[in-house]
This record gives sequence, structure tokens and C-alpha cells, in this order.
Amino acid sequence: DIRMTQSPASLSASLGETVNIECLASEDIYSDLAWYQQKPGKSPQLLIYNANSLQNGVPSRFSGSGSGTQYSLKINSLQSEDVATYFCQQYNNYPNTFGAGTKLELK
Amino acid sequence: QVNLQESGPGIVKPSQPLSVTCSVTGYSITTSYYYWNWIRKFPGNKLEWMGYISYDGSIYYNPSLKSRISITRDTSKNQFFLQLNTVTTEDTAVYYCARHYYYDGTYYDYWGQGVMVTVSS
Repeated sequence: DIRMTQSPASLSASLGETVNIECLASEDIYSDLAWYQQKPGKSPQLLIYNANSLQNGVPSRFSGSGSGTQYSLKINSLQSEDVATYFCQQYNNYPNTFGAGTKLELK
Repeated sequence: QVNLQESGPGIVKPSQPLSVTCSVTGYSITTSYYYWNWIRKFPGNKLEWMGYISYDGSIYYNPSLKSRISITRDTSKNQFFLQLNTVTTEDTAVYYCARHYYYDGTYYDYWGQGVMVTVSS
């Protein structure tokens, strides 16, 4: 199985700040990477697919980048509603696998 | 609007089977090239993809679960089902159903709200 190493595990940031979350795959996943946001008690919501494509309805302050084994999610101008846990997921090979999550809190 | 809704027993005894239903509204589960998945989230946040059933009834399971898992469907009710046999406390998790589209890639654009299943005697 492809291992997805996500960092940091937790993050504290101020309103308006820019935040970066990283995901490292154990092998090349050819940009077959998605990012999800999950708020407490809710299901994961798709933010980004194909490493850098923004899902319909997702604010443009979210962006994804990367290639090969290294990927990142960037949140510009952090808003209070962005407090959540974020997960990456690779879908280049079955079984699809997820990162361990990054819990984002407000400072 | 696509809506997925899980339902399940809440508590299951060890060694018993776990059964969860996903009821889909707003979209037919037989619509071409859509796949219907089961994903679970363990306490501590780890997510695990469990398996899928496709629009035409084909099935694929996570090899780590292959001997214990079964995914079936009832197209007349627009539902699909998860059964996990011989459960242990390590199967305690929130169980989600989710959809993906074959030609887009295996990412999940719609999810149910999840159902918590606790394995306990």
C-alpha cells in the first residue's frame, strides 16, 4: 500500500494568515491526490482533486500544488470557518490511502 | 442533489457481523460509471477505504479486509450495504458511504454523514 505522510499533525494560526499543509507519498502518485476538509461531527468535504483542481463551490483561498511524491494544500487569508481537520488521499493505486490528518485551530 | 445516508446498529458484539446500509437519494446507483464506496474512520482519525460496488454491480475490496467483507446492493431501493464479519473492538469506527466517478479518478465527491458503530460486549 502507498503510505501518505501528512504534516504537521496539528497547526495553530491567526485569522488572515496563510497556512500550508504537506503530504508525502511513499512513491510517485502522478498527481492523483485529493484534499478533504472535515469539521467535527460532519463528513469529509472534497476541496481539491488532481493535486491542484478546485472542487466546485470551494473558496478560491484554497489551492493545491505538487507532483511526484510531494504535495501541499495552501489556505490563504485564514477564516474562522476554516477550523477543521484536513486529510490528503492518494488514488493512483488501490487500495486508496489517506494521510493521518492535520488539525487546524485558531491562535 | 445527491444525498447519501448511512444507518446501522450502533453497537455490535465481538465476533458478530456488522451491517450498515447506505440509502441514496437524488441519484440512481445504477447510473453509468459511478461507484459506491465504504470508508471508515477510526478513533484517532485514521481513514480506511474498505471497498466499492459499481453501477453495474462489480465489486472490489481492500485486500486487508477481503476475507471478512461483503458489499451488496438493492437497486429497487437505491441502497447498498456493508457487511463485516467476525468483528473485534478494532472495528469500532464511524462508517461512511461515498461516491466516485470512474472517469474522474477515485476521489469522493459526495459522502454520507457517517454512522458510529461500536464493537463491545
